[in-house]
Amino acid sequence: AQTVTQSQPEMSVQEAETVTLSCTYDTSESDYYLFWYKQPPSRQMILVIRQEAYKQQNATENRFSVNFQKAAKSFSLKISDSQLGDAAMYFCAYRSPGTPLVFGKGTRLSVIA
Amino acid sequence: DTGVSQNPRHKITKRGQNVTFRCDPISEHNRLYWYRQTLGQGPEFLTYFQNEAQLEKSRLLSDRFSAERPKGSFSTLEIQRTEQGDSAMYLCASSLAAGGGYGYTFGSGTRLTVV
Repeated sequence: AQTVTQSQPEMSVQEAETVTLSCTYDTSESDYYLFWYKQPPSRQMILVIRQEAYKQQNATENRFSVNFQKAAKSFSLKISDSQLGDAAMYFCAYRSPGTPLVFGKGTRLSVIA
Repeated sequence: DTGVSQNPRHKITKRGQNVTFRCDPISEHNRLYWYRQTLGQGPEFLTYFQNEAQLEKSRLLSDRFSAERPKGSFSTLEIQRTEQGDSAMYLCASSLAAGGGYGYTFGSGTRLTVV
């Protein structure tokens, strides 16, 4: 079974600084997708960024970017110019075609003003 | 489209009672998923539907849990004879079926407290 591991239960970052959240996953599939979701205190999960495994280029969405290392099965999220509104739980998730999303346990990000 | 809607937002029930939650997905999404999330944990998959067909159920979904999506639109999740261990946030999500690359759109969840 596929597993997703987030080894940092909590992280903090100063406002305007950069932070990187780690994620590793385990799979024997070659075709899959990786996601980062944000869950603010209001509890609604929001998709931040996604990456197709067959694409070598790392995905970028404004201040959010990923470092996808397929051989190492690593998928980290970098948040640049951190803002107070970035404070939330961040979940890394994996999905292969025909299977439901599998989530990690999450990393709680605090942003210090 | 207002996104994925879940009702109620909060439910407090006594142990042993039955509860039912409702999820209205995004109208053009043919896949609907139920997840359970306990405090400090990531969401855990329970079951999912493609249209009205229930395609997969997790072993987490005991016999006391049942989910339906009768007309391929909204879905209900019923828990019978609730136990304190059922206290959690129940999340619903929907997506398009094509490929695996679509992320899910989540609702705000139903928080269940069993007392």
